[in-house]
Amino acid sequence: GAVVSQHPSRVICKSGTSVKIECRSLDFQATTMFWYRQFPKQSLMLMATSNEGSKATYEQGVEKDKFLINHASLTLSTLTVTSAHPEDSSFYICSARDDGNYGYTFGSGTRLTVV
Amino acid sequence: KQEVTQIPAALSVPEGENLVLNCSFTDSAIYNLQWFRQDPGKGLTSLLLIQSSQREQTSGRLNASLDKSSGRSTLYIAASQPGDSATYLCASPPGYSSASKIIFGSGTRLSIRP
Repeated sequence: GAVVSQHPSRVICKSGTSVKIECRSLDFQATTMFWYRQFPKQSLMLMATSNEGSKATYEQGVEKDKFLINHASLTLSTLTVTSAHPEDSSFYICSARDDGNYGYTFGSGTRLTVV
Repeated sequence: KQEVTQIPAALSVPEGENLVLNCSFTDSAIYNLQWFRQDPGKGLTSLLLIQSSQREQTSGRLNASLDKSSGRSTLYIAASQPGDSATYLCASPPGYSSASKIIFGSGTRLSIRP
């Protein structure tokens, strides 16, 4: 089945530093990938839609300059949290839409803790 | 605007029972419908994907049905086990555009009692 690899699974960083999270589709091509954020016991909140070769589309209220998205190939999208602060601590999940059957596959998530 | 609703929000049943989770959507012009499960602190695992031309999909003890005309999908779990305990989400991209964003239901938190 379709697999999406997301790394790292956990990261602790100091306030003010930047963190990069990778989302990679292993056995299918994904022109479109999505980045979500999830707080404890809440639903996934879509942050942005990442399109290969073009600029990401951000949801209302999501800071483009803080959450940098790059989708340079059909199998890789990255999310960089710049100048991280404690309030950015959260669970970040990516998903990739299979160009073949339009099904969605999710990564295992990244637990970010900013201290 | 597509809205996806899941009922019940939470369900607790004894091990071995068969159960049904419900999902309804307002816009019947869906491209496909997908069921996921999420374990605490984990990402989402895709369970079943039903294309709009299909009426059901089966995988092991799971069976998902799709009725576009009524805007409903159900996930049937046979012979439930404690390992089935998780939050189950149904989701669908709105419209026929393959670039549309997936819309999630709020989920059903399932607990299987040993």
